[in-house]
Amino acid sequence: DTGVSQDPRHKITKRGQNVTFRCDPISEHNRLYWYRQTLGQGPEFLTYFQNEAQLEKSRLLSDRFSAERPKGSFSTLEIQRTEQGDSAMYLCASSLQGKTEAFFGQGTRLTVV
Amino acid sequence: AQRVTQPEKLLSVFKGAPVELKCNYSYSGSPELFWYVQYSRQRLQLLLRHISRESIKGFTADLNKGETSFHLKKPFAQEEDSAMYYCALSATSGTYKYIFGTGTRLKVLA
Repeated sequence: DTGVSQDPRHKITKRGQNVTFRCDPISEHNRLYWYRQTLGQGPEFLTYFQNEAQLEKSRLLSDRFSAERPKGSFSTLEIQRTEQGDSAMYLCASSLQGKTEAFFGQGTRLTVV
Repeated sequence: AQRVTQPEKLLSVFKGAPVELKCNYSYSGSPELFWYVQYSRQRLQLLLRHISRESIKGFTADLNKGETSFHLKKPFAQEEDSAMYYCALSATSGTYKYIFGTGTRLKVLA
């Protein structure tokens, strides 16, 4: 599968722990997005990278959240001191410069207990 | 406010019946509109976009700027159309981030 890849697919963690998710976009895509999806809702935008630069962050992205894309390839999303409200599906998407069509990964489902 | 509204959480139709999934949007400017579909245990994938004006898997959607709607239609539903459908919009410049609706689950009954 040469699409967007996310790891892990599932993560269960105790409240207060830190977690990190990884996203590998389609190789030639320079744009990378993170979205969060909670039960019964559509995906909500969290943050956007163009190459290695993080160009936009949603107000949903509290100080406990940090995202990086160090070499303009894969990206990581870290949540510190997880809370039960962080339980959600975290989706990564990528696209080509100047193209509006985004390709999504299968997501990482986070459960905070 | 920028918003996408899908008023139906669940739509059940019989096989062979027509389908219409509703989508209305609010956006200051001229967005691009999309329909994404998620089949069971699969990732979100693009179904169609308004600028291509294609018919994919028998589905069509016409952008009505006056009514700010982008309803998805299919004349004869098939069982394999059962899935979650999301309407989304994107700006045509800048980040191209998506604003999604809450989704409609389509169930096609035999």
